[in-house]
Amino acid sequence: GDSVTQTEGLVTLTEGLPVMLNCTYQSTYSPFLFWYVQHLNEAPKLLLKSFTDNKRPEHQGFHATLHKSSSSFHLQKSSAQLSDSALYYCALTLPQGTGSKLSFGKGAKLTVSP
Amino acid sequence: DMKVTQMPRYLIKRMGENVLLECGQDMSHETMYWYRQDPGLGLQLIYISYDVDSNSEGDIPKGYRVSRKKREHFSLILDSAKTNQTSVYFCASSPRRDRGTGQLYFGEGSKLTVL
Repeated sequence: GDSVTQTEGLVTLTEGLPVMLNCTYQSTYSPFLFWYVQHLNEAPKLLLKSFTDNKRPEHQGFHATLHKSSSSFHLQKSSAQLSDSALYYCALTLPQGTGSKLSFGKGAKLTVSP
Repeated sequence: DMKVTQMPRYLIKRMGENVLLECGQDMSHETMYWYRQDPGLGLQLIYISYDVDSNSEGDIPKGYRVSRKKREHFSLILDSAKTNQTSVYFCASSPRRDRGTGQLYFGEGSKLTVL
């Protein structure tokens, strides 16, 4: 079935260092990929979503590029901030007409320290 | 104001008791979801509802049932709760059906402890 794999469960970084969280996927179709962020005691919120036209989505300094050749949608940021500490989920949904189910990965907990 | 509201936010029950988690949204979204969140397992889909009385099982529906009698309300019911159903439950809604937009609006979560 369609699924998302996040390999890092816990990531600890020093402020100012680059962030990269991995996301790979398996799907029979050409899915849409997303990153959600969940800060402590808050609800998950959409951070980024993939485009179909090779544009690179960006938000709050984060960006991600969909690479169909490697089935990946890694999340990156050039310089981590303390406020980036959160749980990050990669998620996948199938194109229109095949249902609106959103499947999440297991999440990566990012902790940024001074 | 676009909002998904979950009640109760915290609940403690004994094994075998029934549990009702309620969710409301004020955005007239067709599609609503129930997920549970566990450390190391992420967000797992329990049920999805495409509209009133149009519900489908998600990935882990066993032990749960749902009810959607009004578009703005979606309930999750645990008949005879088990200790392994201790979790944080999230309700979410999305504005379009079968559009693959991925834009889900989540509630604040309901933390259920089953003793």
